Amino acid sequence: EVQLVESGGGLVQPGGSLRLSCAASGFTVSSNYMSWVRQAPGKGLEWVSVIYSGGSTYYADSVKGRFTISRDNSKNTLYLQMNSLRAEDTAVYYCASQPRRNAFDIWGQGTMVTVSS
Amino acid sequence: SYVLTQPPSVSVAPGKTARITCGGNNIGSKSVHWYQQKPGQAPVLVIYYDSDRPSGIPERFSGSNSGNTATLTISRVEAGDEADYYCQVWDSSSDHPNWVFGGGTKLTVL
Repeated sequence: EVQLVESGGGLVQPGGSLRLSCAASGFTVSSNYMSWVRQAPGKGLEWVSVIYSGGSTYYADSVKGRFTISRDNSKNTLYLQMNSLRAEDTAVYYCASQPRRNAFDIWGQGTMVTVSS
Repeated sequence: SYVLTQPPSVSVAPGKTARITCGGNNIGSKSVHWYQQKPGQAPVLVIYYDSDRPSGIPERFSGSNSGNTATLTISRVEAGDEADYYCQVWDSSSDHPNWVFGGGTKLTVL
């Protein structure tokens, strides 16, 4: 069964850091485009970052320079390192696989990140 | 950056047809994908590449895309279709690739 399971969310103070993980099963992370998408409380979906199968990475302007996407092929796991966190980064963070590249086919259950003092 | 516009809400009676629109500049030249999100759950892809359905999605869900408007159509609406629906495109007009979502439409089944 194809599955994504996120972890690592929690409460962090403004300016702090957090690393999210997304463990995949049923497919190979490194063979697909993989993204992080977030959803602020009561708001819509916002794409955050992508890592291509070839390793190239891209970021939304709102997180560029603060967030870093990466993967560990041996663990079949996707990561999102989040630094210099702000209140506006508070959201549920989903990882998603993109076998069709332009769409998000499989989503994890999400992990909540709250940035507050 | 590219902007997608959806109506905040659409209401429909059970058994009727719901149409949810997604507006964008010349969106007909792009591929549009649609997601269903029920409260407390992750989004689910229901239509990809304008009108294709992933396996497991009922035939009642269909999509079209032309000009400046893409449309998700849900026929014979059921209570279980009540959810938020988001359209999405891939945009390459800026200096980096960007996956853009519409603001979402809340479908209410009366």
